[in-house]
Amino acid sequence: GEDVEQSLFLSVREGDSSVINCTYTDSSSTYLYWYKQEPGAGLQLLTYIFSNMDMKQDQRLTVLLNKKDKHLSLRIADTQTGDSAIYFCAEIFSGSARQLTFGSGTQLTVLP
Amino acid sequence: DTEVTQTPKHLVMGMTNKKSLKCEQHMGHRAMYWYKQKAKKPPELMFVYSYEKLSINESVPSRFSPECPNSSLLNLHLHALQPEDSALYLCASSQDLPTDTQYFGPGTRLTVL
Repeated sequence: GEDVEQSLFLSVREGDSSVINCTYTDSSSTYLYWYKQEPGAGLQLLTYIFSNMDMKQDQRLTVLLNKKDKHLSLRIADTQTGDSAIYFCAEIFSGSARQLTFGSGTQLTVLP
Repeated sequence: DTEVTQTPKHLVMGMTNKKSLKCEQHMGHRAMYWYKQKAKKPPELMFVYSYEKLSINESVPSRFSPECPNSSLLNLHLHALQPEDSALYLCASSQDLPTDTQYFGPGTRLTVL
């Protein structure tokens, strides 16, 4: 079955770039998403990329997709303390009947 | 506007109580979802409604009963819950295609005593 994996923790200094990585197994993924969850809050959609794209940029966020290696990354430029949160990678594929498959989430801690 | 609202924000209930969680969206989305999320874990899908009909039930115990009165509203009725049901309950909605982006609400933090 499908599987999405992420590393659990990442710490960066304020002002540095953060790179959060994700690997997935299903080659028929249609869309891949990044959601952000702050403590006690719901999931905020940050960005998504269609599986026929290699890169998407949106202000401080850059998403890179390597379809050959089934690797997705989220780069946050000029990381701020407000970026501290859990980041979930998720995929949906054409045979999923609306079921998002989430990674375990990466806890990003931004140090002053 | 990509807002999904949920009420209440917090709910504490005993194991014999009956309560309901509510979710609303006004984006014209035709699919709505209930997820359960335990601390530090990803959300787990519970139910999916598509065009107001239940399309997915992920083997959820019958003490959870979903209802979709119209295309904008989704309820989750709770009865005889267990302490292990304490979690964050998230509602989401999406447009009509199965691969459409899901937008999440802020969640209801449920504590079962």
